[in-house]
Amino acid sequence: KAGVTQTPRYLIKTRGQQVTLSCSPISGHRSVSWYQQTPGQGLQFLFEYFSETQRNKGNFPGRFSGRQFSNSRSEMNVSTLELGDSALYLCASSVSGGQDTQYFGPGTRLTVL
Amino acid sequence: AQRVTQPEKLLSVFKGAPVELKCNYSYSGSPELFWYVQYSRQRLQLLLRHISRESIKGFTADLNKGETSFHLKKPFAQEEDSAMYYCALYSGGYQKVTFGTGTKLQVIP
Repeated sequence: KAGVTQTPRYLIKTRGQQVTLSCSPISGHRSVSWYQQTPGQGLQFLFEYFSETQRNKGNFPGRFSGRQFSNSRSEMNVSTLELGDSALYLCASSVSGGQDTQYFGPGTRLTVL
Repeated sequence: AQRVTQPEKLLSVFKGAPVELKCNYSYSGSPELFWYVQYSRQRLQLLLRHISRESIKGFTADLNKGETSFHLKKPFAQEEDSAMYYCALYSGGYQKVTFGTGTKLQVIP
């Protein structure tokens, strides 16, 4: 069974630009969660999507948004990029979310200059 | 609100020594707790979860509701245990998973 894939793997953007990250979950998984990973803060929850609906959201500004498609693939968008948005963005899929085991992708490394 | 605290950013132990990675949580409901591990150049992956009560790669973790802790233990550290370890809490009331900031375990040969 193929694992979670994320594209692109690396991105370099400048302040003020916007970016879209993509995540393809494991086949059959309907829940996709997004996390921001930084050395100082660890993993911080961004949001979770289940069956095309955002089920939960972390404490991030509205510049961070996402969506999920009918095939469970998910995208995350960050608008008006700031230097502090530089991080590794991880996506994780699970069968139904909640306490199900999460399977993580390799991440997208975003650098904002 | 729920919170997960891992007080040590780095834990260095010698090979063969016991390991204890600390995790404390705060949550008023009934928690589901997990340990995830990230080896160098690999993806974050589940190590164990408290409801399974398993021993994975020699690691065990016991949920202590009185002390609100879920410490990860191994009696004899191996070099291949060197990795980043994250404690995580699923809170049904908030329906989300909260991760700690992680502890880097360094096993010295």
